[in-house]
Amino acid sequence: AQSVSQHNHHVILSEAASLELGCNYSYGGTVNLFWYVQYPGQHLQLLLKYFSGDPLVKGIKGFEAEFIKSKFSFNLRKPSVQWSDTAEYFCAVLSSNTGKLIFGQGTTLQVKP
Amino acid sequence: EAGVAQSPRYKIIEKRQSVAFWCNPISGHATLYWYQQILGQGPKLLIQFQNNGVVDDSQLPKDRFSAERLKGVDSTLKIQPAKLEDSAVYLCASSPLRASGANVLTFGAGSRLTVL
Repeated sequence: AQSVSQHNHHVILSEAASLELGCNYSYGGTVNLFWYVQYPGQHLQLLLKYFSGDPLVKGIKGFEAEFIKSKFSFNLRKPSVQWSDTAEYFCAVLSSNTGKLIFGQGTTLQVKP
Repeated sequence: EAGVAQSPRYKIIEKRQSVAFWCNPISGHATLYWYQQILGQGPKLLIQFQNNGVVDDSQLPKDRFSAERLKGVDSTLKIQPAKLEDSAVYLCASSPLRASGANVLTFGAGSRLTVL
């Protein structure tokens, strides 16, 4: 069965600090991996995705993530966060067989100005 | 293109009452999903449709929740009777066909339910 685990529930950073949010998944088949972001009061938006090719993927707003197959991980990174990055971040894994998208429990990021 | 439309945006009911949520996916999207997002948790898949057929409803509490997508376009999710623990945001999403990396789910703004 698919499952996703996000390591940190709540992260507090100062502006310009570097960010890394951990995500591990469990699934035996071909996976597609996503990071979604939910800004306060807004709906879920796609940040970036991986489905094949270069394991280092770049998304919007300077975010990137690296797929490490041997570690079943898909960690999200940003070299320098801004106050506007304050949001909730969700890692998700999609089964290419069933089309089922499963989310992790989310990480709340708070960036202090 | 227009996004995924959901209504109502907010609903407050008392326990044991019923409620219905409506979703209109992006035009042409064959797959439609309903998720439940409880405060502080990630979205949990309740049911997945492909056209008007159910692909997965293993997480749907069928004693009180029901969903339909009669013409393979818009969908309704009903809760009857509601319990306190049903307080959550109900998210609808759609994708063009069976979701793959090339076909990404697009989410609606959600319907926030408060059960008193």
